[in-house]
Amino acid sequence: AQSVTQLGSHVSVSEGALVLLRCNYSSSVPPYLFWYVQYPNQGLQLLLKYTTGATLVKGINGFEAEFKKSETSFHLTKPSAHMSDAAEYFCAVSDGNQFYFGTGTSLTVIP
Amino acid sequence: DAMVIQNPRYQVTQFGKPVTLSCSQTLNHNVMYWYQQKSSQAPKLLFHYYDKDFNNEADTPDNFQSRRPNTSFCFLDIRSPGLGDAAMYLCATSRKGLDTQYFGPGTRLTVL
Repeated sequence: AQSVTQLGSHVSVSEGALVLLRCNYSSSVPPYLFWYVQYPNQGLQLLLKYTTGATLVKGINGFEAEFKKSETSFHLTKPSAHMSDAAEYFCAVSDGNQFYFGTGTSLTVIP
Repeated sequence: DAMVIQNPRYQVTQFGKPVTLSCSQTLNHNVMYWYQQKSSQAPKLLFHYYDKDFNNEADTPDNFQSRRPNTSFCFLDIRSPGLGDAAMYLCATSRKGLDTQYFGPGTRLTVL
């Protein structure tokens, strides 16, 4: 079975600071990789995804992520945090058979 | 806009009283999923339909059932809700099994 590890269940950043949310996965086959955001009492919204091609993927709301095969990582970044970025973030991997979610990282943005 | 719709957004039921949650989609996707999400946890897949083919996760309790009468609609039936079934229930769709999943807004179930 595959696994997805999100380091840090809670991350706090100051408004305007860099956001870095970490995701590592285990997969024996080339994976599809996803980041989702979830606001309170809402469903998951797709931020970005990697399937093939360019390893740096740009998503909505200024987020981007880089697929690093050698490190089996897909970390999510945003250069400047905004108050509206406060939410739960989930990394997910598809290995061709199933979707695997990480346990999530709660992002707090400090004014 | 094409979307995934869940009704109701909030559902309150009594212990042991059957409840049905609804999901509809205008994306014309082949696959529909039901997830259970408890507070501060990742979504947990309960089952999914690939077209009319039903796929149950091994650890999904028998108390949970699902119906997909047509491409657009999928229902989650909880036959005898227990206090431990209180959670957010998320419906998602994808064009095919590997593809991006698109989520509805969820139904928050409270069991009294």
